Parts: sequence; structure tokens; C-alpha cells
Amino acid sequence: KNEVEQSPQNLTAQEGEFITINCSYSVGISALHWLQQHPGGGIVSLFMLSSGKKKHGRLIATINIQEKHSSLHITASHPRDSAVYICAVVRIMGTDKLIFGTGTRLQVFP
Amino acid sequence: ETGVTQTPRHLVMGMTNKKSLKCEQHLGHNAMYWYKQSAKKPLELMFVYNFKEQTENNSVPSRFSPECPNSSHLFLHLHTLQPEDSALYLCASTFSGYEQFFGPGTRLTVL
Repeated sequence: KNEVEQSPQNLTAQEGEFITINCSYSVGISALHWLQQHPGGGIVSLFMLSSGKKKHGRLIATINIQEKHSSLHITASHPRDSAVYICAVVRIMGTDKLIFGTGTRLQVFP
Repeated sequence: ETGVTQTPRHLVMGMTNKKSLKCEQHLGHNAMYWYKQSAKKPLELMFVYNFKEQTENNSVPSRFSPECPNSSHLFLHLHTLQPEDSALYLCASTFSGYEQFFGPGTRLTVL
């Protein structure tokens, strides 16, 4: 079983919908990353969290350390949000090596 | 544009070929990483370099040979690869464990 699990694996939405992607992990962590990967392959870091909540534009990321769970929300989704969203964690007391989830493929239709 | 560049973007090679992937960053980062992304699998860390020193080798076969001549450049030398090595190879860099900046990747096909 992967130490980082994401759900759902695939998600389709209509433009304007509110989207939630979930990430659960089974190890103690010092930080959690949300990454976005577009079809061309390049990856962009969206958030790095160690507690609470962060917001950037239409994106909101939350983390609950006690429950070992994080969510990524997209408000007013748009077709350009179509991408793979990847959750990755940094183990506490470990190196800065990232452990990745398998990603959630999001497609937003106009 | 993340500030991390990779060349080539696409590479097709035979199993007997020798080729190299290149990664470059001028962000002042001290750590650089090679990752492998195969279809339907999570990203896998291959190597980590900190201040030009290799600090992690994630049990990678010796047919992959990394080189880090300075903090701005990272190479992955490939020789006698197998078809199952076909994947997207991503480079990333960071400053002391903060946010990682990823390159666009090299799509490798081994025939």
C-alpha cells in the first residue's frame, strides 16, 4: 500500500463547479506539497503546507495533521484547471525526499 | 517557466546506445533531484545531490549514472537501457528543502 493515497483517481467537472481532491498519508510528516502536472509533463508546485490552510487565487489547500489528511479545493473551476494534481509529503525526521501519491486526473469541461 | 530547464525534451534510443540527459538551474538552489515517472505509477526519486555531493541513490540500476559538476548542472548518463526504462525523467531543484522547482521533463523511449 502506498504511503500517500489520493482520491479520487479521476475527476470530471463542468466549468464553474467546486472541486475537492483528497490526500491521506500514513507517515509522520514535516510538510505536504500539492503539485500540478499539465499534459506536457512539466510540474508546478502549488502549495507547501505544514499546518492550517493556504489560499492562492481560486485554489485552497488545507491540512489536518492529527487526521493525516489534506484537501485541495478549486473554486469556480475552468477548463484550464484540467491537469493531474499530485500530493507529496516530506517525512518527519527524514531527508527532504518527497513521497508522492499517484495523482488525481482532473478534466473540466466547458 | 520554473527556471529549471531540461534537454532534450524527447529522446528515442536503442538498447545499445549511450545518451545523456541534462538539467540546468540558475535559481541559486543547492539541491538537485532526478525523478522517474512511469505510466500509472507515482513519481519515483532516483538521485539527490546537495552542494554537488550525492546524498541519495534510491537503489537505481547502474545503467543510470548521474553527474553533478556544480550546483547548477545535473546530468543523467544512460547506457544499455531496457524498454522498461521508457518513462518521463524529471529534474527538480530546491534551496535547503523548501519548495521544489521542476523542469519540463525528458520523455525517453527505449526501443
